[in-house]
Amino acid sequence: QITLKESGPTLARPTETLTVTCTFSGFSLRTSGAAVGWIRQAPGKAPEWLALISWDNDRRLNPSLNNRLTITKDSPGNRVVLTMTNVDRVDTATYFCAHARRHYASGPPAFYYFVMDVWGLGTTVTVS
Amino acid sequence: DIQLTQSPAFLSASIGDRVTITCRTSQGMNNYVAWYQQRPGKAPQLLVYGTSALESGAPSRFSGSGSGTEFTLTISSLQPEDCATYFCQHLNTYLFGQGTKVEIK
Repeated sequence: QITLKESGPTLARPTETLTVTCTFSGFSLRTSGAAVGWIRQAPGKAPEWLALISWDNDRRLNPSLNNRLTITKDSPGNRVVLTMTNVDRVDTATYFCAHARRHYASGPPAFYYFVMDVWGLGTTVTVS
Repeated sequence: DIQLTQSPAFLSASIGDRVTITCRTSQGMNNYVAWYQQRPGKAPQLLVYGTSALESGAPSRFSGSGSGTEFTLTISSLQPEDCATYFCQHLNTYLFGQGTKVEIK
């Protein structure tokens, strides 16, 4: 059974760097096709995808966040860490991590995409 | 940048009704979408991926279809437990739609 749990500070100050950690079980990030994604959701808003890291260290980041994000994995420890620099009040949200699996989309153009199929419960971060 | 437009924002229907939610992309290059259901206070739950593939464990009354720039999620017969907000996600960019809140009339 795949489970994920997010952890991090409940409160962050503007301009600080936020670090949230995803600790997972039931799968390995050394398995071909596996990935972990981060998504956040501000109160009453739609989810916003942030970042994803795959078994082969393919990193995908939301370009709208202006290079504020870093995602790393600690495969032996079954953890994925997301850091976000220079946080602001608009970064107040529940931060979710999710297991993702890779699928192939036939083209043209052909490409691989990841489906976020199992989510953690989320951790709420307030920037104030 | 690609835009994702989901409609309607709110939908009220009766038990047993057929319900359709639409997601439109602003660009038409080989788009694929996923659909999620989210109940209050819970994480989104995957229903459909790759535009039309039903996720394992999702009820068969849910189906996804579409191509090009227009995609739909259909609930063939609305059930009380389907009260939730539904989001589409563009799998090329991982952008989410703005959501459709479904209520029982």
